[in-house]
Amino acid sequence: GQNIDQPTEMTATEGAIVQINCTYQTSGFNGLFWYQQHAGEAPTFLSYNVLDGLEEKGRFSSFLSRSKGYSYLLLKELQMKDSASYLCASTNSNYQLIWGAGTKLIIKP
Amino acid sequence: IAGITQAPTSQILAAGRRMTLRCTQDMRHNAMYWYRQDLGLGLRLIHYSNTAGTTGKGEVPDGYSVSRANTDDFPLTLASAVPSQTSVYFCASSAQGTTDTQYFGPGTRLTVL
Repeated sequence: GQNIDQPTEMTATEGAIVQINCTYQTSGFNGLFWYQQHAGEAPTFLSYNVLDGLEEKGRFSSFLSRSKGYSYLLLKELQMKDSASYLCASTNSNYQLIWGAGTKLIIKP
Repeated sequence: IAGITQAPTSQILAAGRRMTLRCTQDMRHNAMYWYRQDLGLGLRLIHYSNTAGTTGKGEVPDGYSVSRANTDDFPLTLASAVPSQTSVYFCASSAQGTTDTQYFGPGTRLTVL
């Protein structure tokens, strides 16, 4: 089967670090995406990993382990504007993206 | 126009009516997609088009049809709307296929009564 799992909701404090995990089981893996979606808005691209390892982009980093079917998104120096849903997505054997239900991140002052 | 536009922004529709959701992009992207997003579920692919003149079925195509007469436009039609089609609909595009970044339109919130 094809499945993307990520926690439904997480809470963190402004200025702190948070890690959002994603596990996937897709039959035609060709990379893993992370998108950010603010409430009532469209998803916007954050990162794409196709090789194992950590990719850093400013305050955001994304990690991939293909052998474990696992990825995480790391957000540092959290700001109130980071309150959003974070969507994990991976390709299937039909070259279509399968999306997780998203992790709602709540940032508290 | 910059990016992707969708129309209408929102719509309330009586069950059984026909409805077309419009999507236009100005990035000259080859691939376009229609998704629906429901609470508690991930984005689900309805239909896609890898290039002008071709379309394909996604995960949840029943009750929907699409066309891709040119590069820029990718309308989604509900032939006879049903309440289970109440959802937020997003159109997206990417330069080539699925491994390229997808850029999303602002969405259409559709309610079928």
